[in-house]
Amino acid sequence: DQQVKQNSPSLSVQEGRISILNCDYTNSMFDYFLWYKKYPAEGPTFLISISSIKDKNEDGRFTVFLNKSAKHLSLHIVPSQPGDSAVYFCAASAGGAQKLVFGQGTRLTINP
Amino acid sequence: NAGVTQTPKFRILKIGQSMTLQCAQDMNHNYMYWYRQDPGMGLKLIYYSVGAGITDKGEVPNGYNVSRSTTEYFPLRLELAAPSQTSVYFCASSDRQTGLGEKLFFGSGTQLSVL
Repeated sequence: DQQVKQNSPSLSVQEGRISILNCDYTNSMFDYFLWYKKYPAEGPTFLISISSIKDKNEDGRFTVFLNKSAKHLSLHIVPSQPGDSAVYFCAASAGGAQKLVFGQGTRLTINP
Repeated sequence: NAGVTQTPKFRILKIGQSMTLQCAQDMNHNYMYWYRQDPGMGLKLIYYSVGAGITDKGEVPNGYNVSRSTTEYFPLRLELAAPSQTSVYFCASSDRQTGLGEKLFFGSGTQLSVL
């Protein structure tokens, strides 16, 4: 029962272009969504989040879009940089951090 | 500022052995968590704690125990290690009181192999 799914295990993007990472969820009770970024041999680090009362949140080069009717969120990175190469996890919660559910992750590679 | 510190970074155990994964945070966070990550899978919550003296099971608690006697430390105990416990273990903390409880701060992980 995978409540949060990232269907693309990997994504390769040219430097300077837009990277779009996708995430689907099944639980309509989720009310808070986050993206974490993970480099090899390090723990995940928080990147950006969005509440279910919004449909978009921006932070510099990173924008998260939420489509509640489709139960879908996406992370846009513009422009993509080599340092963005990492594994990205989406996560969702319904009622607190102890209920956080993670997707499987998408490995993003930015090519020069 | 150290953040969340995990030790050891790597460990190989034989089936049936026991060990404790250490976790310490210096941010005075009230919430702490233990996750495991298997290859190609997301992070699964093992146990969590909302404060000293209070712990609760997560999604995959079997084979593990935790304790939280102070705010800073949250060790994870593996009793009778099994090959199914081969994984990367992450400790994390968050500050629920600021309303940002879902913003977790992770340690760098412990890679455990049970052979």
